[in-house]
Amino acid sequence: GDSVTQMEGPVTLSEEAFLTINCTYTATGYPSLFWYVQYPGEGLQLLLKATKADDKGSNKGFEATYRKETTSFHLEKGSVQVSDSAVYFCALSKAGGSYIPTFGRGTSLIVHP
Amino acid sequence: EAGVAQSPRYKIIEKRQSVAFWCNPISGHATLYWYQQILGQGPKLLIQFQNNGVVDDSQLPKDRFSAERLKGVDSTLKIQPAKLEDSAVYLCASSLGTGNSPLHFGNGTRLTVT
Repeated sequence: GDSVTQMEGPVTLSEEAFLTINCTYTATGYPSLFWYVQYPGEGLQLLLKATKADDKGSNKGFEATYRKETTSFHLEKGSVQVSDSAVYFCALSKAGGSYIPTFGRGTSLIVHP
Repeated sequence: EAGVAQSPRYKIIEKRQSVAFWCNPISGHATLYWYQQILGQGPKLLIQFQNNGVVDDSQLPKDRFSAERLKGVDSTLKIQPAKLEDSAVYLCASSLGTGNSPLHFGNGTRLTVT
């Protein structure tokens, strides 16, 4: 079945450092890919998405590019802030039929001042 | 637009007791999901509704969990009887129901079973 694999956390960075969180997926067909963020005590919220190969999703300084050849959707940010501390989830879903959104296990990011 | 509403926010019960969670999705969202999120793990789908019909409940422990979505809007998730391993955050989400549609999550209900 479909699956999403994320790098283990926590990822600990100093403010203004560069961030990469790796995500790879296994799926048949052509899934849409998503990054969700979960701040402490809150539900998940959409951060960005990409719906086809080579698409780049971006939001709040975060970017991720849909790489079909490497089945990857790595999350990047050039300069992290303390307020970016959260848990980040990579996810996929497919159009048509009774698709089921599939989530990775999440990667915790801790940013120190 | 108003977000996904869930209640209660927190619940503490003893094992073998019963508990119910309520969810009101975003207006117009046909698809509703219940997820279980155990600490340190990603959300695990329990059940997915399309309007008031069940699309997938293959991971719902049907001997103790039940869910319904009356009139294709609000939904309730019930656990009876609860076990210690049911301690988790229960997330409700809704979407327009296409593969490109993102999920909109509520803040969840944190259940502690003692």
